[in-house]
Amino acid sequence: QKEVEQDPGPLSVPEGAIVSLNCTYSNSAFQYFMWYRQYSRKGPELLMYTYSSGNKEDGRFTAQVDKSSKYISLFIRDSQPSDSATYLCAINTNAGKSTFGDGTTLTVKP
Amino acid sequence: EAQVTQNPRYLITVTGKKLTVTCSQNMNHEYMSWYRQDPGLGLRQIYYSMNVEVTDKGDVPEGYKVSRKEKRNFPLILESPSPNQTSLYFCASSLSGQHQETQYFGPGTRLLVL
Repeated sequence: QKEVEQDPGPLSVPEGAIVSLNCTYSNSAFQYFMWYRQYSRKGPELLMYTYSSGNKEDGRFTAQVDKSSKYISLFIRDSQPSDSATYLCAINTNAGKSTFGDGTTLTVKP
Repeated sequence: EAQVTQNPRYLITVTGKKLTVTCSQNMNHEYMSWYRQDPGLGLRQIYYSMNVEVTDKGDVPEGYKVSRKEKRNFPLILESPSPNQTSLYFCASSLSGQHQETQYFGPGTRLLVL
């Protein structure tokens, strides 16, 4: 079983829709929870980061962590065509080990 | 400009021919890491380094070597490449291993092993 499982997608939504991206993890040692966005032929770039259970909001993006259920989510409100990308969850220990989900490819249609 | 650079960006080689992919960062970061990205498998960590002369295996270290003699450089060495190492490789760095939320990725190196 993978340590981090991500809803595979792909996901296709109309512009303006609310998008929900989800990951589950199995290792309780994981302490830091990140979401990266990766455009085609580019390296991943950090979108959101949190280390505690609850919600963290940044503009149209909300990251949600439920440590008791080992479940993390990223919500995108009012999705735009420019949000079309692959989204990767990443979960880290505090000793350098970093584990990524397989990624969910999102397409937002105008 | 703060950045992580990788060279080469594209490489075609043959089985067994040793190669090195270089990675350099200009942000004085302590933490550096190598990943490979394959379709359907996401990003998998190969090796990481918490500081100079400190390296550790990630999830898929077999067939790779790294060294961290200087803070800014973290080369990835394939002593005897095989076709299953054909992949897209990313180097990344962050301030420290405890601040990986600020991890910066390089542009990637596409490797094809024939």
